[in-house]
Amino acid sequence: GAVVSQHPSWVICKSGTSVKIECRSLDFQATTMFWYRQFPKQSLMLMATSNEGSKATYEQGVEKDKFLINHASLTLSTLTVTSAHPEDSSFYICSAKGLLSYNEQFFGPGTRLTVL
Amino acid sequence: AQKITQTQPGMFVQEKEAVTLDCTYDTSDQSYGLFWYKQPSSGEMIFLIYQGSYDEQNATEGRYSLNFQKARKSANLVISASQLGDSAMYFCAMRDQAGTALIFGKGTTLSVSS
Repeated sequence: GAVVSQHPSWVICKSGTSVKIECRSLDFQATTMFWYRQFPKQSLMLMATSNEGSKATYEQGVEKDKFLINHASLTLSTLTVTSAHPEDSSFYICSAKGLLSYNEQFFGPGTRLTVL
Repeated sequence: AQKITQTQPGMFVQEKEAVTLDCTYDTSDQSYGLFWYKQPSSGEMIFLIYQGSYDEQNATEGRYSLNFQKARKSANLVISASQLGDSAMYFCAMRDQAGTALIFGKGTTLSVSS
C-alpha cells in the first residue's frame, strides 16, 4: 500500500511555543489530507480536511487560528499548533487520499505531542 | 449525521478462538463504506477490511471477515483463530457518500491470552 510519513514522531515542548507537524505522502500524490486527534484510549476525532492549494475545512469546535493547516503541495501537509498548552497534548494522526483512491485512506504513524 | 457505535469497550479471548467485535452505524446515505482498523500500542492505524454498502457478499481478508447486515445497520468484525498479536484496539469507521473523511467509533480493546 501507499506510504505516509509523519515528522516528528514525538515532540515535547514548553507551554506557549508553537509546534509544526509534517505529513508526507511518499509514493503517491495526496489530493486530500485529513488531520485527526486522539486522546489516550479514545477514538480518533477529525480536526480538519485539507485539499491541495486551498484552505482547510475545520470541524466544528476546532480553532482554526490555533491549529494552522497548510497543504502547499500534493505530497505535504503541515499542522502547526500555535501557542501550545498542556491541554493540546495528544496524539495527532494524518491520513492521505489520492485522486484515484476513492475507498482508501492511508494513515501516517502519528505524532505524540506533550506540552509541559 | 453519521454515527458509528461500538458498545464493547473491552473484549477478552483465548488464543485460537474466534471473536466478534460489534459495530452499528447510522446514516441516511445510500452509498457508504465501512472500515475496520487495528491500532496496536504503537499507535499506527492498520487497515483490516472494507465493505461497501452495495456489496452483496460479506468482505473477507484472511482471518478477518465482516458480518454485514444492512437492514440492521451492523458491520461486525469476526476474527478467527485469534493470535496473541491480535491484542490491540479496534476501530470501526464509516466513509460517507462524498468519499471524504472517515468517522470512527469509540473502539474496542481486544486482549488475547494464551
